Amino acid sequence: AIQMTQSPPSLSASVGDRVTISCRASQNIKNDLGWYQQEPGKAPKLLISAASKSHTGVPSRFSGSGFGTEFNLTITGLQPEDFATYYCLQEFPFPYTFGPGTKLQ
Amino acid sequence: EVQLVESGGDLVQPGGSLRLSCTASGFSFSIYSLCWVRQAPGKGLEWLGYIGSGGSVYYEDSIQGRFTIFRDNAKQSLYLHMNNLKIDDSAVYYCARNPAVGGLDVWGQGTTVTVSS
Repeated sequence: AIQMTQSPPSLSASVGDRVTISCRASQNIKNDLGWYQQEPGKAPKLLISAASKSHTGVPSRFSGSGFGTEFNLTITGLQPEDFATYYCLQEFPFPYTFGPGTKLQ
Repeated sequence: EVQLVESGGDLVQPGGSLRLSCTASGFSFSIYSLCWVRQAPGKGLEWLGYIGSGGSVYYEDSIQGRFTIFRDNAKQSLYLHMNNLKIDDSAVYYCARNPAVGGLDVWGQGTTVTVSS
């Protein structure tokens, strides 16, 4: 199975900051990667699919990039509601695998 | 409203069995692929398996042979049947919709499974 790593595991930032979270796949997954936000006690929410496609209703401050094995999620102009844990998920091939998560605090 | 609602979570003894359900509303259930994902207390997300609109199924390696995913399109429902449950299977279990364009775009609220003697 493809292994996903995320960096950093945790990140301290302030409202208004620009932050980038990285995800690396152990093999080429083309652009079959999504990014998810999870607040404590809640279900995850899809932010980005296909590496760079913003999901409906997601604020424009969230953007995704990358192809192959290296991917980034960038949040430009942090808002208070953005302090959460972020996960990447690769969807090619099966089995899908999540990254370990990045806690933004 | 597009919605997924899980049910069936319970306290079960090690070695026991449990069936989780995920009922959909607000969209054409039969044309979508679906996934199960779980999250142990204080841990990250773990993808468990997938079922396509045509019934093809894929599992995460560690649950292969113990867990079975199936669907009933007439009931707009997805199921996860779990056998030989272990303490490490204790988690919140989520179902999620997986459209062809990618991503898990709709999630249920989760149902809690606790495996303990």
